[in-house]
This record gives sequence, structure tokens and C-alpha cells, in this order.
Amino acid sequence: DAKTTQPTSMDCAEGRAANLPCNHSTISGNEYVYWYRQIHSQGPQYIIHGLKNNETNEMASLIITEDRKSSTLILPHATLRDTAVYYCIVRGSNYKLTFGKGTLLTVNP
Amino acid sequence: NAGVTQTPKFRILKIGQSMTLQCTQDMNHNYMYWYRQDPGMGLKLIYYSVGAGITDKGEVPNGYNVSRSTTEDFPLRLELAAPSQTSVYFCASRPTLGLFQETQYFGPGTRLLVL
Repeated sequence: DAKTTQPTSMDCAEGRAANLPCNHSTISGNEYVYWYRQIHSQGPQYIIHGLKNNETNEMASLIITEDRKSSTLILPHATLRDTAVYYCIVRGSNYKLTFGKGTLLTVNP
Repeated sequence: NAGVTQTPKFRILKIGQSMTLQCTQDMNHNYMYWYRQDPGMGLKLIYYSVGAGITDKGEVPNGYNVSRSTTEDFPLRLELAAPSQTSVYFCASRPTLGLFQETQYFGPGTRLLVL
């Protein structure tokens, strides 16, 4: 699986959009980009995934660059409950996920 | 659906004791996983299973054993507890087929303290 690089921490004001970047420059053609988040003391929660095209669901949007070397998770209107560690994971053909340290997003009032 | 459930929520063990962490899912998922998470770190895969009767090692299997006799249950066994096994343990499952076949669903975790 390709390695990912994320900032250690980010801050965002409540009600504003949170944009979380992820670099995955060694990604190969069949590898998906997954985003999970982990709210303190809870199990990780799936957010969204994508291959080439931008994706949107009720939780977030995922923007993948044309060369697929980086992506951005967008929470359009962050709330205090979105404070969590966000993991960007690139996954290939096997069925295992490799979690790094992720980005701690703190949403401030 | 209850999803993925884990018991116990918290346990203190003495060095050398053994215990079994229970994990059950009611979503009829074939794939199940055990992870551990040390403070400030990401999750590390201990063992996984692709179906009843089939298990395989992950990144950090030493000191643990698993079994998968049914689709629903995937218990994790610690035979001789060591302080290095103090961690939070998460169980997860995912479906084999379907739109979200790559998505893992996690349980609430078991906090284990070995003294």
C-alpha cells in the first residue's frame, strides 16, 4: 500500500469549512483513497473513499488531484463534534487498511 | 443491527494472566479484524479473518491468538499478558461484496491494562 503524509494537527472555526490535505505521491493506478476519523476514545468511523473522481456524501467531500498524488477531505460546515483524528489511507488490492498517525482536527467555537 | 460489539469495555490484568477479548458482529460480514492502538499512535493490525475457519497474521501478532469458528464471532486470546500489551483493542468487520465492500465497521474498543 502507498504511504500517506498528513499534517499532525489543524484548527478550524466552527461553521467554517475544514480542508484536510493528504499526500500520497507513490499511489498506483488501482489504489483507492480512504478517509476515516476517530473521535476520542471511540472506534474509527468510515467517512468517504474515491479512486479518481471527486466524491461527496452526507458527511464530506473528497477532492483527488488529477495526477492522484494528493487529496483533500472537506468538511463543509465543521461543528464541535467533528473534532477528531482524521486518517487518510491508500489501499490496494488486499483487504487490509494501514492506519498512520492521522491529523488531529480541532474545531474551535 | 447492533453492528460490531466488544466485551469487556475495560479490564485490568496481572502479568502472566490470560484472557479472551470478545468480538461479535451481526451484519453477516465475512472479513473481521483485530487492531491495537497505543496512546498517540495509529491502529496496528494484529490478526484478521476472511471467513469462518480462516485466519491470518497482521503486523503485530506476537503474544496473541485468534479463532473463527462462526461468521459472527472473532475472539482474541492473550495467553501470557505482558505490560507491552497494555493498549486499546478494536475489532472491525467488512462485507465481502457490495458498494461499500472496502469499508470497515469498528467496535467501541476494549481498554486493557496489564500491571
